[in-house]
Amino acid sequence: GAGVSQSPRYKVAKRGQDVALRCDPISGHVSLFWYQQALGQGPEFLTYFQNEAQLDKSGLPSDRFFAERPEGSVSTLKIQRTQQEDSAVYLCASSFLAGGTQETQYFGPGTRLLVL
Amino acid sequence: AQRVTQPEKLLSVFKGAPVELKCNYSYSGSPELFWYVQYSRQRLQLLLRHISRESIKGFTADLNKGETSFHLKKPFAQEEDSAMYYCALKRPSGSRLTFGEGTQLTVNP
Repeated sequence: GAGVSQSPRYKVAKRGQDVALRCDPISGHVSLFWYQQALGQGPEFLTYFQNEAQLDKSGLPSDRFFAERPEGSVSTLKIQRTQQEDSAVYLCASSFLAGGTQETQYFGPGTRLLVL
Repeated sequence: AQRVTQPEKLLSVFKGAPVELKCNYSYSGSPELFWYVQYSRQRLQLLLRHISRESIKGFTADLNKGETSFHLKKPFAQEEDSAMYYCALKRPSGSRLTFGEGTQLTVNP
């Protein structure tokens, strides 16, 4: 079946522009995660949804970052007034379970954001 | 707060040689540990988790709570093992993963 998909795959934005990144999780997956991966670094947690509820947003770096999952499926990560330090790959992951030892996160291909 | 450290950014071995990718963590409780792999032009995917005590593609990893380590090992490396490897930690009560910075493994012919 289809895996996690993300769009756009690449985005170039001018500093100060707003961007919206989309994630389509695997159908039926309860949990959805957003991670930010800067060049040469490992992914860093941004936020987590269980169905439509945003249970953890402690990793969002500033109030310019906003995520939603209104119907418990597709999620959008929005970055307002982009800055150069926002340049990174944004990864989305989904899992069938909500925690537990058998939970496996399946990752999307990522959106590479470049802010000029 | 939890932290994962992978001391080697780059690791190069010859085909058939043993390989060990190091991972150390800091967490006060009993975490779940994972190894994720990203092959060239592919997405990040789970390789193995400590709780399953399994061998995947010839790789094994043992959780050493005394040394707070979860090193990934393979006795005979293959060229197709060349990839970026990330060690990751999850708290028992949570879902978010904390990743290390990754180790780029290159297996030379």
